[in-house]
Amino acid sequence: GAGVSQTPSNKVTEKGKYVELRCDPISGHTALYWYRQSLGQGPEFLIYFQGTGAADDSGLPNDRFFAVRPEGSVSTLKIQRTERGDSAVYLCASSLWGGSKNIQYFGAGTRLSVL
Amino acid sequence: DQQVKQNSPSLSVQEGRISILNCDYTNSMFDYFLWYKKYPAEGPTFLISISSIKDKNEDGRFTVFLNKSAKHLSLHIVPSQPGDSAVYFCAASEVAGGTSYGKLTFGQGTILTVHP
Repeated sequence: GAGVSQTPSNKVTEKGKYVELRCDPISGHTALYWYRQSLGQGPEFLIYFQGTGAADDSGLPNDRFFAVRPEGSVSTLKIQRTERGDSAVYLCASSLWGGSKNIQYFGAGTRLSVL
Repeated sequence: DQQVKQNSPSLSVQEGRISILNCDYTNSMFDYFLWYKKYPAEGPTFLISISSIKDKNEDGRFTVFLNKSAKHLSLHIVPSQPGDSAVYFCAASEVAGGTSYGKLTFGQGTILTVHP
């Protein structure tokens, strides 16, 4: 596709369950970012991939959160033992390269609801 | 600590008038600033950006002004149209060559409503 694709668009789960959120970036984009947006707030950085490696995971809130990008394209954000506080919209963005002065293009997000 | 702040949660303007959205930042390492627009159930869409070496960038109806000494930027939309109604986010990234890898720090957003 032409843009960043995120699936599922909505995910409802129960507290304590495991979830995976998928991001398919724009073809040819080497940089991939995950953000989390809580209600009434701006997106907050979680993790950045350059190629297959996580170059910066300083935004991950705790060790229940993990992300991979094994082939340098599609990325999966994994959340273990979900908590109600994890409920938010998870946004993925990609850019041609990482670093300052790059334009990040966002997907529509996955709305995660933890009951 | 909120490094990027948009102090106006909402703004309402009449069609054809100017909309001015404001943003303040505290981190002096920020060197690139962007505005994104977001419609409900969609991801943020890039609108316009400005580098810290400039004080103004214009693209059609949209102009961004940067005042580095005041650590303030603003987005001007003129003339405003009803289709401009959306949430507007200010974002910033740190200097190239640093360890930020271009990650964006966002403000809280301003809801713009343009009335016909």
